[in-house]
Amino acid sequence: DAGVIQSPRHEVTEMGQEVTLRCKPISGHNSLFWYRQTMMRGLELLIYFNNNVPIDDSGMPEDRFSAKMPNASFSTLKIQPSEPRDSAVYFCASSFTGVEQYFGPGTRLTVT
Amino acid sequence: TQLLEQSPQFLSIQEGENLTVYCNSSSVFSSLQWYRQEPGEGPVLLVTVVTGGEVKKLKRLTFQFGDARKDSSLHITAAQPGDTGLYLCATALRAGNNRKLIWGLGTSLAVNP
Repeated sequence: DAGVIQSPRHEVTEMGQEVTLRCKPISGHNSLFWYRQTMMRGLELLIYFNNNVPIDDSGMPEDRFSAKMPNASFSTLKIQPSEPRDSAVYFCASSFTGVEQYFGPGTRLTVT
Repeated sequence: TQLLEQSPQFLSIQEGENLTVYCNSSSVFSSLQWYRQEPGEGPVLLVTVVTGGEVKKLKRLTFQFGDARKDSSLHITAAQPGDTGLYLCATALRAGNNRKLIWGLGTSLAVNP
């Protein structure tokens, strides 16, 4: 069975551009999580969905960030406009229990 | 302030050595997870500990949950280069009817051949 799928794996963009990250969770998992990882702050939870409904978005940095989950097999994280401080690795994870999580390979975002 | 404090932050050892890394908190947890993250990949769940004093073994890795459920340790016997990676601990905090994971900053382990 395929794990969590993320695309793209790498994204390089210029400041001010819109960035869209995509995630396909493991089939049957009802929770989906978006994380950001940096050396300074470690792994930070941005938002999580349960049964496609956003439950906690308190980790979303500001209005420039938005996330959607239109169905059980797809989610997007959008940054508009992007800034250099958004450069990080963004992970999507899914879970059946809500606690034990399965991570995708991540998207390394560089904003110049 | 980190809810979960991991130590040491960095560790570089030679192949064959033993090591222990720690995850500590002043709070009591219902459960705690350990993950390993290899370079360029996402974290992978290793184990969940639930009961105070619990010890779980995964080949050369031994996980222990403190009696008071405030701390945990991971001991690796005869480390190998394949053990290189970032070791993260995480715990679930209840938020209403849902739970979300809180993460430590991790211990970055390098095992040199």
